[in-house]
Amino acid sequence: EIVLTQSPGTLSLSPGERATLSCRASQSVDSSSLAWYQQKPGQAPRLLIYAASSRATAIPDRFSGSGSGTDFTLTISRLEPEDFAVYYCQHYDSSLWTFGQGTKVEIK
Amino acid sequence: EVQLVESGGGLVQPGGSLRLSCAASGFTFTSYWMHWVRQAPGKGLVWVSHINNYGSVTNYADSVKGRFTISRDNTMNTVYLQMNSLRAEDTAVYFCARGGSNFDSWGQGTLVTVSS
Repeated sequence: EIVLTQSPGTLSLSPGERATLSCRASQSVDSSSLAWYQQKPGQAPRLLIYAASSRATAIPDRFSGSGSGTDFTLTISRLEPEDFAVYYCQHYDSSLWTFGQGTKVEIK
Repeated sequence: EVQLVESGGGLVQPGGSLRLSCAASGFTFTSYWMHWVRQAPGKGLVWVSHINNYGSVTNYADSVKGRFTISRDNTMNTVYLQMNSLRAEDTAVYFCARGGSNFDSWGQGTLVTVSS
């Protein structure tokens, strides 16, 4: 079973700054099955990135995904006030869907 | 507009049963796999179960295998999660989600609390 480890656990940044979130897989994975989600308190998650680097519908271009193999990154180029939230990476393989533990992006 | 609306959550005693429903609208239901994902209070997301387009293939997380059953009624555009032998650790918000390798649409969730 593939384990996804996200770092850091919490990222404290100011609006306008760049956010870099990491997701590391316990073994090499197919990047076509790697996704990122945003979740705000009391809300359902929202798909941001699929296939490691493709933005989902209506996602602003300040969000970008990259990576391959075991190391994947979600970058928010300039944080807007509405971007402070928890972010999860997720992978699918062999009828098993797995999430990372999440990274909280908080206002500094 | 894609809509997924969960219902059926509530308070149940340990060892009890509950059936969750997820009513879908705004898309061709039979074109999509469906899932249940849960989130314990203050914790992260955990995938629970999957069902394919016509209900012929289902998958479960090890933590619920043998206790939970996913099903769907394509005439009603609804997916279900029958939860038996509930434990305190099953307490969570249960989300219905649409998708294949990822989850592109989500419901707002329904809270299940297992407590005596």
